[in-house]
Amino acid sequence: NAGVMQNPRHLVRRRGQEARLRCSPVKGHSHVYWYRQLPEEGLKFMVYLQKENIIDESGMPKERFSAEFPKEGPSILRIQQVVRGDSAAYFCASSGQGSTNTGELFFGEGSRLTVL
Amino acid sequence: GDSVTQMEGPVTLSEEAFLTINCTYTATGYPSLFWYVQYPGEGLQLLLKATKADDKGSNKGFEATYRKETTSFHLEKGSVQVSDSAVYFCALSSGSARQLTFGSGTQLTVLP
Repeated sequence: NAGVMQNPRHLVRRRGQEARLRCSPVKGHSHVYWYRQLPEEGLKFMVYLQKENIIDESGMPKERFSAEFPKEGPSILRIQQVVRGDSAAYFCASSGQGSTNTGELFFGEGSRLTVL
Repeated sequence: GDSVTQMEGPVTLSEEAFLTINCTYTATGYPSLFWYVQYPGEGLQLLLKATKADDKGSNKGFEATYRKETTSFHLEKGSVQVSDSAVYFCALSSGSARQLTFGSGTQLTVLP
């Protein structure tokens, strides 16, 4: 009974490179959320996706960040031309149809990005 | 906008001590309130929740009561154990939004 799987757990990039973070939701879940946790801060919502659709991207930076959740395969959070300020833990969560508006999200262990 | 303010950490207690972690919120409408816990090296897990005023959420000896008049959802446990050492996050969801708004988290360490 696999939970939310994120990889890589740790990623190191140099400034200007691209970072790709992957998230496989709980089996059967069709809703995926990405959150970012900066050092010493709480989790900040970034984007909410359903299969092949972005539902709410109000928390996404306007440039360099993008997310997708294709029909097949994991959700991807992509950060282009990374800068030091992108260093953070990125958490993915998922939920199923039955948890509408209950907030019962299932979280992965996070991907920790370090930009040198 | 919605926000959650959590008690500053870290908190260090001896085993069997009483725990309170304060949480207050601002939100439009009537939010649902949650406590999530993150054990070392793991993802966040839902600990308990309350969806309307005066509801009490409880799980694993932890409790929190939804207080609309004070906009609070304080987490309590009567007797903590070493295994309760973790980071605790208060969160809310309001309106039609599915996403959660989180507090900054409180690191709890329980010493034997």
